[in-house]
Amino acid sequence: DQQVKQNSPSLSVQEGRISILNCDYTNSMFDYFLWYKKYPAEGPTFLISISSIKDKNEDGRFTVFLNKSAKHLSLHIVPSQPGDSAVYFCAARGPNNNDMRFGAGTRLTVKP
Amino acid sequence: DTAVSQTPKYLVTQMGNDKSIKCEQNLGHDTMYWYKQDSKKFLKIMFSYNNKELIINETVPNRFSPKSPDKAHLNLHINSLELGDSAVYFCASSQTRSGTQYFGPGTRLLVL
Repeated sequence: DQQVKQNSPSLSVQEGRISILNCDYTNSMFDYFLWYKKYPAEGPTFLISISSIKDKNEDGRFTVFLNKSAKHLSLHIVPSQPGDSAVYFCAARGPNNNDMRFGAGTRLTVKP
Repeated sequence: DTAVSQTPKYLVTQMGNDKSIKCEQNLGHDTMYWYKQDSKKFLKIMFSYNNKELIINETVPNRFSPKSPDKAHLNLHINSLELGDSAVYFCASSQTRSGTQYFGPGTRLLVL
């Protein structure tokens, strides 16, 4: 029962271009969404989040967009840098502080 | 000065053994978690715990048990290890149950 889905297991972009990572969810009760970044042999690190009352949140090169009607969110990285190469996990949580549900991750490779 | 640490980093053991993984956080957080990352790379919550409440994911076998000697530690005990327990186990903590979670580096468990 995967309530959070990241359908692209991998993505490759050129340095300086935009990276767009996508995430879909099925549970309409989710009201808080997060992106985590994970390097090999390390734990996931928090990147950016968005509440369901917003449709966009920006932090430097990272912007998360939320489309509630489509139950879809995306992470934009502009400009992409080689150091951004990692696995990106989308996560979602419900209003009762229910446990977070994670997607399977998308491996981003930024080529110099 | 690691915020969330886990020991050991690698654990190789025989089927049927009992083992423990330790987790410590120095962030002063109230809530700690254990996640399992399976072979398909999904991160799944196993337990969430603060000094008031332990929430157990109902899919977790009762061979797994969390033990919290104090607020800064949440250890994971596994009895009668099975081949299917092989996975990466992540500990995490957050200020409150609704706060951003910070992850440890993971413990790679291999059951032979």
